[in-house]
Amino acid sequence: EVQVVESGGGLVQPGGSLRLSCAASGFNFRGYSMNWIRQAPGKGLEWVSYISSTSYDIHYAAHVNGRFTISRDNAKNSVYLQMNSLRDEDTAVYYCTRDGGWRDDYWGQGTLVTVSS
Amino acid sequence: EIVLTQSPATLSLSPGERATLSCRASESIASRLAWYQQKPGQAPRLLIFDASERATGIPARISGSGSGTDFTLTISSLEPEDFAVYYCQQRSDWPLTFGGGTKVEIQ
Repeated sequence: EVQVVESGGGLVQPGGSLRLSCAASGFNFRGYSMNWIRQAPGKGLEWVSYISSTSYDIHYAAHVNGRFTISRDNAKNSVYLQMNSLRDEDTAVYYCTRDGGWRDDYWGQGTLVTVSS
Repeated sequence: EIVLTQSPATLSLSPGERATLSCRASESIASRLAWYQQKPGQAPRLLIFDASERATGIPARISGSGSGTDFTLTISSLEPEDFAVYYCQQRSDWPLTFGGGTKVEIQ
């Protein structure tokens, strides 16, 4: 069974940092790209970042570029999102997804990040 | 950035009725469009990819169509479990973008 499980969310002050983790299982992790997608409370979905299977190709949304860093460890079947200089507007549930090629075919349950003083 | 506009924002229908949801792209995205369903408190679930391909386990009453800039998600006969929010997503170019969503509610 394919599973992706996020962790690392929590309450952080504006300007602070947080590192999200996503543990994947049930599929050949090193063969798939991965995405982070977020959803602010009561709002729609917003793509955040993408990493290819080998980490060669990486993309970010404009509003996080320069503040967030995506990475992966294929030996640990994990993908990470390092978030620095956090802002109030980064408050959201962050989902880790498997990129099945032109679609996000498996989603985790999400981890909540709250940026507030 | 490719902007996706979904309409209507809310669709009020009864079980058994047909639902037609629209997603329009600001430029051509060929068939690089996916549809997702989200219920309250749950993660989104993939329904359709490549504009018209059903994902694993998705019933035949749910279908997608379109190419270029205009796309449609159709639910031929609404079941109680279909009342949810639906999002389209373009996979044609970076940044990936989503539409604002259509809520299908019980009339």
